[in-house]
Amino acid sequence: AQSVTQLDSHVSVSEGTPVLLRCNYSSSYSPSLFWYVQHPNKGLQLLLKYTSAATLVKGINGFEAEFKKSETSFHLTKPSAHMSDAAEYFCVVSDLFSGGYNKLIFGAGTRLAVHP
Amino acid sequence: GAGVSQSPSNKVTEKGKDVELRCDPISGHTALYWYRQSLGQGLEFLIYFQGNSAPDKSGLPSDRFSAERTGGSVSTLTIQRTQQEDSAVYLCASSLDPMVGNTEAFFGQGTRLTVV
Repeated sequence: AQSVTQLDSHVSVSEGTPVLLRCNYSSSYSPSLFWYVQHPNKGLQLLLKYTSAATLVKGINGFEAEFKKSETSFHLTKPSAHMSDAAEYFCVVSDLFSGGYNKLIFGAGTRLAVHP
Repeated sequence: GAGVSQSPSNKVTEKGKDVELRCDPISGHTALYWYRQSLGQGLEFLIYFQGNSAPDKSGLPSDRFSAERTGGSVSTLTIQRTQQEDSAVYLCASSLDPMVGNTEAFFGQGTRLTVV
């Protein structure tokens, strides 16, 4: 069965230091993978997506993620955290189910805190 | 409109009353999803529509929950005899036809439901 595991429920970093949010997935087919961000009291916004093109995907606000099939991982990184990056981040897999439809499966989320 | 629109944005209801939540997807998007997000929690899948049919309604928590979609566009989520545990933010998302390729989902701002 398809699933997504975000390995850390909370991550805390200092401003200007690197960010790493970890995500592992399981999929029966060739999935698409996404990272969404949710700022407090705001809607979900797409950060980046992987759809079987380049394995290193660049997104908005300096974030990027690397698809590693051998490790079934899609970790999100940013070289230097900014205060405005503090938010909840969701790793999502979109997979083809029997019956021919795609379903978005969300990880539990990682709350990123950025300290001055 | 340009994005996914949900109404109302906030709803306070008395326990035992019925509520109806509305979602207007992006024009031309055939796929529509409902999710629920409880306070501090991740996203819980409720139901998926492809056109007017729902190939996956496995996430509906009980028979008090139902959803329909008409004209391949507007969707309504109905909760009958509301209970306090129904209090959450209900999110709607839409995407292009997944059968022609994996695409990201666009989310509405959600309806915050409070059952008192």
